[in-house]
Amino acid sequence: NAGVTQTPKFQVLKTGQSMTLQCAQDMNHEYMSWYRQDPGMGLRLIHYSVGAGITDQGEVPNGYNVSRSTTEDFPLRLLSAAPSQTSVYFCASSRGQGATKVRYTFGSGTRLTVV
Amino acid sequence: EDQVTQSPEALRLQEGESSSLNCSYTVSGLRGLFWYRQDPGKGPEFLFTLYSAGEEKEKERLKATLTKKESFLHITAPKPEDSATYLCAVQAWGYQKVTFGTGTKLQVIP
Repeated sequence: NAGVTQTPKFQVLKTGQSMTLQCAQDMNHEYMSWYRQDPGMGLRLIHYSVGAGITDQGEVPNGYNVSRSTTEDFPLRLLSAAPSQTSVYFCASSRGQGATKVRYTFGSGTRLTVV
Repeated sequence: EDQVTQSPEALRLQEGESSSLNCSYTVSGLRGLFWYRQDPGKGPEFLFTLYSAGEEKEKERLKATLTKKESFLHITAPKPEDSATYLCAVQAWGYQKVTFGTGTKLQVIP
């Protein structure tokens, strides 16, 4: 089925470990982004990309890296996991960022626990 | 800084009992206001985009309206399958960022 695929669905990390959350879309969307969702805080933007080779920071980028080598893939790397990064992570894509194009398709999420 | 406040945080309705969810926003020039539905354990699913005050959009039992300061999501004769968290978000002119509210958790009881 067309859409946004995130892997893994669940992950437990120890403090200081690194890992990569995978995100792939098959809709040829230009725009991709990573959000984290925490209770009482809503969805907060971590990093985003407006096309292959172009990335930028969102409102909570510290501790995370991204790259976009292809249109389809937008992995999120946790450099050295901390308990404060325990959250549910969502990848979202859209055709663009004008309001008429900002119809995000979200993945099903990765639930990350850092102990 | 753009702000989105949703109320109530949670709402419990009997099946067939109509109600409204509120989204108050502060933004420096509204480019678009968005409504999403999120089921437990899943990512948000797009419902509507509203662009200017006075605009309305409908989908099945849902109708979204927009004023210069707030948006309402009206739910008419809800069914248990309408139970979900409803998220509101805004985008300002000149910015790519979309700011989300914390959502209203709706429970419809048979």
